[in-house]
Amino acid sequence: GAGVSQSPSNKVTEKGKDVELRCDPISGHTALYWYRQRLGQGLEFLIYFQGNSAPDKSGLPSDRFSAERTGESVSTLTIQRTQQEDSAVYLCASSYGGHYGYTFGSGTRLTVV
Amino acid sequence: AQSVTQPDIHITVSEGASLELRCNYSYGATPYLFWYVQSPGQGLQLLLKYFSGDTLVQGIKGFEAEFKRSQSSFNLRKPSVHWSDAAEYFCAVVLYGGSQGNLIFGKGTKLSVKP
Repeated sequence: GAGVSQSPSNKVTEKGKDVELRCDPISGHTALYWYRQRLGQGLEFLIYFQGNSAPDKSGLPSDRFSAERTGESVSTLTIQRTQQEDSAVYLCASSYGGHYGYTFGSGTRLTVV
Repeated sequence: AQSVTQPDIHITVSEGASLELRCNYSYGATPYLFWYVQSPGQGLQLLLKYFSGDTLVQGIKGFEAEFKRSQSSFNLRKPSVHWSDAAEYFCAVVLYGGSQGNLIFGKGTKLSVKP
């Protein structure tokens, strides 16, 4: 597609439930990032995929968080046993390579009640 | 530690006034530099980027930024602010071989515009 697509745009879930967030990057983009942005805060790095290399998971806040990406296509961010502190906007970005800059999706707003 | 610093958390300017948002980075080499803007409830939009060459770069929406190697800075400027510029602005760097992949953001500067 023309841009980075994220779904759903909004998600309300009950505490303790699992959620899956989806990111469709721009076709051909080899790099893909997930960020978390809490209300009024900056971007918190979560995970980075680059081609077929092992992902950089150093930003995942706990083992309840995981992400997958098949090749250079769709990525899914999974949060298990959600907690209220997981409430945030989750942003995905993709790129051909770092020096081209990154294109961001509009994000998924997750609310845990 | 490698970092990107935006020293101003919140700035308020009057419509029509000039604007400068500060960004400093701490790396041994010159990284690739970016400014993004995030309007309320929206994703991030790339304003401009610097790779090499002319240290004054022009971006969209009338913004420009100047890379100053001696100061490790990449400040964003606009000569006359419009009310629609009210948003949050993020400086970012790309540094190959670093941790967190290679895209690192500052904590952002929120811009408010007075009528």
